[in-house]
Amino acid sequence: RKEVEQDPGPFNVPEGATVAFNCTYSNSASQSFFWYRQDCRKEPKLLMSVYSSGNEDGRFTAQLNRASQYISLLIRDSKLSDSATYLCVVNGDSGYALNFGKGTSLLVTP
Amino acid sequence: EADIYQTPRYLVIGTGKKITLECSQTMGHDKMYWYQQDPGMELHLIHYSYGVNSTEKGDLSSESTVSRIRTEHFPLTLESARPSHTSQYLCASTDGTGGDTEAFFGQGTRLTVV
Repeated sequence: RKEVEQDPGPFNVPEGATVAFNCTYSNSASQSFFWYRQDCRKEPKLLMSVYSSGNEDGRFTAQLNRASQYISLLIRDSKLSDSATYLCVVNGDSGYALNFGKGTSLLVTP
Repeated sequence: EADIYQTPRYLVIGTGKKITLECSQTMGHDKMYWYQQDPGMELHLIHYSYGVNSTEKGDLSSESTVSRIRTEHFPLTLESARPSHTSQYLCASTDGTGGDTEAFFGQGTRLTVV
């Protein structure tokens, strides 16, 4: 079982829609959680860190549920430019700093 | 803007050639990583390093080797390139002090072996 599981999608949504991604992780000792964004044929870039209390950055809201071991990303008022792959990232054991999920593909259409 | 650089950005090379992909970062990060990613597919960790003289193999078996003689430099070498090595190779680094922080990625090297 992979340490980080994501629904690969694709999620096809119209502009202005609200879309939510979930991600589950297996290591209950994980302490650091992130969402990354990766555009086609580009490197991943940090979208936002995920804090225990939840955090918001403009149209993006991240939540952490330690009891159920999942994190979520909510995107409100989707823009065409939000089309990308969103990677859930969790720090792991065995000395690995970061474990990446397979990514969820989002396509926002006009 | 992340201070981590990979060269070359693109490389087309013949089968059997030896190649070295360069990765350098100027952030003083202890931890560095190499990922392999095929188009539209997930990232696979192939090598990582905790610091100078530390190298470990990642989740995905790879015929490549790495070295970490200096903190800022983490090159990846393929002794004899094969078409199956065609892929994108991404280098990343994190600040390993005080817990794990975000990873910064280089722009990647897109390798094609013909």
